[in-house]
Amino acid sequence: DGGITQSPKYLFRKEGQNVTLSCEQNLNHDAMYWYRQDPGQGLRLIYYSQIVNDFQKGDIAEGYSVSREKKESFPLTVTSAQKNPTAFYLCASRSDSREGPQHFGDGTRLSIL
Amino acid sequence: KQEVTQIPAALSVPEGENLVLNCSFTDSAIYNLQWFRQDPGKGLTSLLLIQSSQREQTSGRLNASLDKSSGRSTLYIAASQPGDSATYLCAVRQTDRMDSNYQLIWGAGTKLIIKP
Repeated sequence: DGGITQSPKYLFRKEGQNVTLSCEQNLNHDAMYWYRQDPGQGLRLIYYSQIVNDFQKGDIAEGYSVSREKKESFPLTVTSAQKNPTAFYLCASRSDSREGPQHFGDGTRLSIL
Repeated sequence: KQEVTQIPAALSVPEGENLVLNCSFTDSAIYNLQWFRQDPGKGLTSLLLIQSSQREQTSGRLNASLDKSSGRSTLYIAASQPGDSATYLCAVRQTDRMDSNYQLIWGAGTKLIIKP
């Protein structure tokens, strides 16, 4: 079945540590996104990528980094510069059709040790 | 700047009732509006997508309407069931930004509980 796989489901970060969240899709979608979800708030866009080897900052990119070396993969690194990383992180993808909805993975919950 | 609001933040109704969830947006220059469902600890599932030229979309017991001039959309759920319990989010895609093809503006969601 086609879909988006995020791993791990739960992740714990120590002080000063960088951690990387995985996102893989087999939908052959061009665009991929990373969102952060906090309780009582809407999703906020961290980074997005429209095509391989290209990505753009979203509204809250500070303290995060991404890469897009392959069409199916869009990993997110939460760096030590992100002082409040505890949140639910969602990865999504979409075909290049303007009418298409975004498809989401099941998320990664990141907590501070 | 576009803002999307969903009121109420939470709603609890008995099984079998028809109900309406609300979504309002401040800038009517939207390309489309989508409704999503999110189960606890899970990702989002797209329910309905309404293009700016459309007034409503239907899927099974769900009906979504769009009134751009008033900046409102509603999600109508008929004959609610306990399995409908989830958080429902709406999101709009703008038309006035170069990168609007790739970004959505999200509401905070309405948490719906259907009591058996």
